[in-house]
Amino acid sequence: NAGVTQTPKFQVLKTGQSMTLQCAQDMNHEYMSWYRQDPGMGLRLIHYSVGAGITDQGEVPNGYNVSRSTTEDFPLRLLSAAPSQTSVYFCASSYSKSPLQETQYFGPGTRLLVL
Amino acid sequence: AQTVTQSQPEMSVQEAETVTLSCTYDTSENNYYLFWYKQPPSRQMILVIRQEAYKQQNATENRFSVNFQKAAKSFSLKISDSQLGDTAMYFCAFMKQSGAQKLVFGQGTRLTINP
Repeated sequence: NAGVTQTPKFQVLKTGQSMTLQCAQDMNHEYMSWYRQDPGMGLRLIHYSVGAGITDQGEVPNGYNVSRSTTEDFPLRLLSAAPSQTSVYFCASSYSKSPLQETQYFGPGTRLLVL
Repeated sequence: AQTVTQSQPEMSVQEAETVTLSCTYDTSENNYYLFWYKQPPSRQMILVIRQEAYKQQNATENRFSVNFQKAAKSFSLKISDSQLGDTAMYFCAFMKQSGAQKLVFGQGTRLTINP
């Protein structure tokens, strides 16, 4: 298994540009999440999904869209990038059934710089 | 809403020493999970140890153990016989037992193990 993969590893955007951060997992996990990590802070939840076709907002959802058309993929879209979205983005996945549901597997992260 | 606080931004110890990282949290939930994640310079998020709130026994994973004080809402991590590879950011995190995985992270503690 490749686990959780994220692309790209690093991206530079200009203010107002759009882009999609890709996340995929091959573990057949129902739950997937997006977090952002800013300097001096822990990770904060942006959006999450409990299964294909189902998404919901996390703590900091503004400026981001998500969709979940398949179990494997959970892309994060920035429609109009802003400098405040400069951050490191992590995707995570997990099973939905206890006792495994509490263990989240994280991807390697995508570093985004918005100029 | 749940909050997680790590009051030690940085810590430094000598190799082979024991070090304890502090974490407190605030919640009105009775059933939840607590985690310690390690983030080395590679930025990968690695699960170190987890604790179920309903378990009185403190979790242990090799050199890593926790002191879980539910009434005091305290969850400290003890690293015994510290190694150079333990150098990393350490994040304490909280998750409600019910619903989808939504981790709430503390601000992190930067731990440096000196040779």
